[in-house]
Order: sequence, then structure tokens, then C-alpha cells
Amino acid sequence: KAGVTQTPRYLIKTRGQQVTLSCSPISGHRSVSWYQQTPGQGLQFLFEYFSETQRNKGNFPGRFSGRQFSNSRSEMNVSTLELGDSALYLCASSLGQGASYNEQFFGPGTRLTVL
Amino acid sequence: AQSVTQLDSQVPVFEEAPVELRCNYSSSVSVYLFWYVQYPNQGLQLLLKYLSGSTLVKGINGFEAEFNKSQTSFHLRKPSVHISDTAEYFCAVRYTGGFKTIFGAGTRLFVKA
Repeated sequence: KAGVTQTPRYLIKTRGQQVTLSCSPISGHRSVSWYQQTPGQGLQFLFEYFSETQRNKGNFPGRFSGRQFSNSRSEMNVSTLELGDSALYLCASSLGQGASYNEQFFGPGTRLTVL
Repeated sequence: AQSVTQLDSQVPVFEEAPVELRCNYSSSVSVYLFWYVQYPNQGLQLLLKYLSGSTLVKGINGFEAEFNKSQTSFHLRKPSVHISDTAEYFCAVRYTGGFKTIFGAGTRLFVKA
């Protein structure tokens, strides 16, 4: 079974631009979560989706948004990029319900650099 | 507020020595607990998990962890480490009924020859 895939793997943008990152979960998984990882703040929760609905949202400004499609693929968007948005963005998928829904499988991440 | 504390930011250890990476979480309500490992420029890989049942959990690569509800801890152990275990390790908590996972700050394990 293929793992979680994220595209692109690397991205360089300039301040003020916007960016869209994509995540394809493991087949059969209906939940996708996004995290931002930086050296200073560690792993910070962005949002979690299940069956196209946002179940929870972390403490990030409104410039960060996401969505999930009917095939469970998810995208996150960051508008008006700031230097501090440079980070590794990780996507994780899980079944979304049932006893094991809490087990998350992570993708390799998208490394975003904002210049 | 819900939080996860990894008590050591870095742990240097010699090859074949035992190691313990410590993790405490903030609340004693029902939780699910995880340890992940991250190698450079990669995502997180699940080492082991506690969802219910036995408090001693065995994972991949010879790691194990013990859930201690009274001390709200979930320490990770390995009896004999290898050079290849050098990586960053993250403890994570998910509260029952919650829809987010909270991660600790990470512990960098450095195994020396």
C-alpha cells in the first residue's frame, strides 16, 4: 500500500506570494492532518480534516487555510507569505474513525522557503 | 492547557548502551500516546503506540515504552542502541475525543561509537 505523498517536496517563494501544498493520504484513510515544523517552535498542529470537514484547527492566523476533497486528498494554502512561514509542512493521514483512528502516518513533508 | 514535555533536548549515548527518553503529558484524562522518530530530511515514522490494554508497549527497532497513568508519563527505552538510532524522537499525545495530536519538542538522540 502506498504511503502518504506530499507535493511538491521543495518550494521557494518570496514574501507576499501565496502557496498551495498538496497531500494524498493512504488509500482508505479519510482523515488528514497538517503540521508545521520549525526549529524554534517544533511541531505545531495546523488543522485536521475528516470526510471534507474540518474537525479541529490550531492557533494559526487566517492566512493558513485548508480543504479536503471527496477523494480524501487535501490541500493547504498560505497567503501573503512571511519569512516566518519557512518551515517543513507535514501531512499525516489516518483512518479517521474506529479504535485505531488515532494512529497517524506521516508523509515526507514539503520544505517551504520564503525569501 | 494540554501539553507534552520531553525532559531532555539532547541525549548522547555510546553504542550498545541502554537509553531512556523521557516524556510527560499534562493531563490524566484518557489519552492515546505515541513515539515517532524522524531522520534528517524525512517525515515522522511511528515507533510505537499506546491505545489501550497493556501498559508496556513494544515497537519497531527494539524500542519499548511504558505508560504510567499516575505519573502521566510515557518514557521510551531501548536496552542497546546502535549508531543507526541517531535521530530525533518525538512523543505525542492525543486526548480521547479530541481531534488533534500534541507533540513534544523532541529529543535528539546521538549515538557515539
